[in-house]
Amino acid sequence: DTGVSQDPRHKITKRGQNVTFRCDPISEHNRLYWYRQTLGQGPEFLTYFQNEAQLEKSRLLSDRFSAERPKGSFSTLEIQRTEQGDSAMYLCASSGPGRGNSPLHFGNGTRLTVT
Amino acid sequence: GDSVTQMEGPVTLSEEAFLTINCTYTATGYPSLFWYVQYPGEGLQLLLKATKADDKGSNKGFEATYRKETTSFHLEKGSVQVSDSAVYFCALSDLAGNTPLVFGKGTRLSVIA
Repeated sequence: DTGVSQDPRHKITKRGQNVTFRCDPISEHNRLYWYRQTLGQGPEFLTYFQNEAQLEKSRLLSDRFSAERPKGSFSTLEIQRTEQGDSAMYLCASSGPGRGNSPLHFGNGTRLTVT
Repeated sequence: GDSVTQMEGPVTLSEEAFLTINCTYTATGYPSLFWYVQYPGEGLQLLLKATKADDKGSNKGFEATYRKETTSFHLEKGSVQVSDSAVYFCALSDLAGNTPLVFGKGTRLSVIA
């Protein structure tokens, strides 16, 4: 069990640019989640996948955001035309296998700074 | 929608002091309740959980009891250590785990020697 891995750890970009983050979940986990965390706040849910199917998207996920999990393994989160308000820590978590309330295992996050 | 409210920090305690971090929730149905902890420089990790009323979750000396009548899940530890310094998050999801976790804002705990 190597844990949930996120890449990059930090990303600084100029407003208007596109960015993509990658998450590698624990290998046997079938559920994968994306959260966003800003300073002084708890993680806010963005979207989640069960295997390759994207099952739920938050209202926070504007049309500039897109997430994929093409083969049910790693996932990517892309933000197009970044805005300063997108600056945050983006967290990935995975759980499973199977259904039910298995605990979420979080990665260390990708910190995005939009200048 | 479902929500979690936890006491604002930061909380600063001396080593061996008693800790309480309050957490209350609003949810339809009967959620499962969790405490997650984030140590400096690390990702969030599950500390303890409870899935039904009157259940007590415990781990590493921390405890929390699911109180349905007061919709609360307060975190307690009898004697804190410097190594407990971290941010603590209360969270809930539906019983079957079919809804994503909803987190509180977090409470930063600093324990001084």
